[in-house]
Amino acid sequence: GESVGLHLPTLSVQEGDNSIINCAYSNSASDYFIWYKQESGKGPQFIIDIRSNMDKRQGQRVTVLLNKTVKHLSLQIAATQPGDSAVYFCAETSMNTGTASKLTFGTGTRLQVTL
Amino acid sequence: GAGVSQSPSNKVTEKGKDVELRCDPISGHTALYWYRQSLGQGLEFLIYFQGNSAPDKSGLPSDRFSAERTGGSVSTLTIQRTQQEDSAVYLCASSVWRLYEQYFGPGTRLTVT
Repeated sequence: GESVGLHLPTLSVQEGDNSIINCAYSNSASDYFIWYKQESGKGPQFIIDIRSNMDKRQGQRVTVLLNKTVKHLSLQIAATQPGDSAVYFCAETSMNTGTASKLTFGTGTRLQVTL
Repeated sequence: GAGVSQSPSNKVTEKGKDVELRCDPISGHTALYWYRQSLGQGLEFLIYFQGNSAPDKSGLPSDRFSAERTGGSVSTLTIQRTQQEDSAVYLCASSVWRLYEQYFGPGTRLTVT
């Protein structure tokens, strides 16, 4: 079933191409960022994280880039596959709040992979 | 191992009725969070529990919303006198104390008619 909104920004990518999903964050105190993937009818799933002392972090087929100067985060997916079709959220928090992290989520981007 | 589970998966209720949503976190996770996801919106933080500490209720939208966590494990989110604007997917997540990877359940879709 549909678990996220119908009016999200949508990125359409052909299978095999690289995808770049962008996120702007507003809190300059945020120092920890996470990308989540949410498939229809499921809860968000952790993809990759990055701390503010890094500019880039790579995982399997995914890379997160952080530009603290302009408060911008991006998720790059290499060789996009049909199974990558989902809504992607960035989330931010400050590790100095003394709490076990209250994440602030962006509104999400829907990735559609075409064959 | 078992992930976060939530029940019911779907709930349809009439305006004005009370509802209870349940979350079973991953065993051993001391932190538990509730979020709300409305159509066209991102995830909105509602409340979080950490061990035996007082919960952070700063995200609850009104006093009709409350949550409890019994025995440091199962949590129940209660919405009293439901309104149509309460219709959303309610997501629960858990994480290990002071680690930031939150594991989400599948959510409960609440529809208030």
